[in-house]
Amino acid sequence: GEKVEQHESTLSVREGDSAVINCTYTDTASSYFPWYKQEAGKSLHFVIDIRSNVDRKQSQRLIVLLDKKAKRFSLHITATQPEDSAIYFCAAKGSNYNVLYFGSGTKLTVEP
Amino acid sequence: DPKIIQKPKYLVAVTGSEKILICEQYLGHNAMYWYRQSAKKPLEFMFSYSYQKLMDNQTASSRFQPQSSKKNHLDLQITALKPDDSATYFCASSQSTANTGQLYFGEGSKLTVL
Repeated sequence: GEKVEQHESTLSVREGDSAVINCTYTDTASSYFPWYKQEAGKSLHFVIDIRSNVDRKQSQRLIVLLDKKAKRFSLHITATQPEDSAIYFCAAKGSNYNVLYFGSGTKLTVEP
Repeated sequence: DPKIIQKPKYLVAVTGSEKILICEQYLGHNAMYWYRQSAKKPLEFMFSYSYQKLMDNQTASSRFQPQSSKKNHLDLQITALKPDDSATYFCASSQSTANTGQLYFGEGSKLTVL
């Protein structure tokens, strides 16, 4: 099955700087790549996604890039704010469309 | 208002016992899932259901049995509990398994097995 690797387990940035979280996947048939945010002690919430027919998507301060050749995708958070502090999970849905596979999570800390 | 209700929020069980985790969703979705989050495996897929039928099972142990009595219910029965089963169990739903719509997660049921 699909394996999603999330490269940064922790990431610390200063408020106002950009944060980048990188993920790779293994299934060449993967076509859907969402990102989820989990604040401390809470559940997961969808933040942004990208489909394989595009290589870039932006929603306000969030940018997702997809490099299908390298089987790599990344989340860029610009102008970070303390409320961006959370664990971010990347995910991929591949040839087994019944399953969304998640990475191991990146704990982002935005320091004032 | 939470659209996916999980009960109980916290539970403590003794080794060897059995527990049922309840999940109901009020989003009108046709697909439901169970995921498990623990220190060892941050977010591990367990089951997916579509229109009350099992679509995928990636749980090695038969001690975990999902039960869907209604389209918007997917409970999880865990038997012969072990300390390794301690985790937070998240129920999720989506419009269907086939499309690429987002998953909506419940608040989780945190299970501690002593």
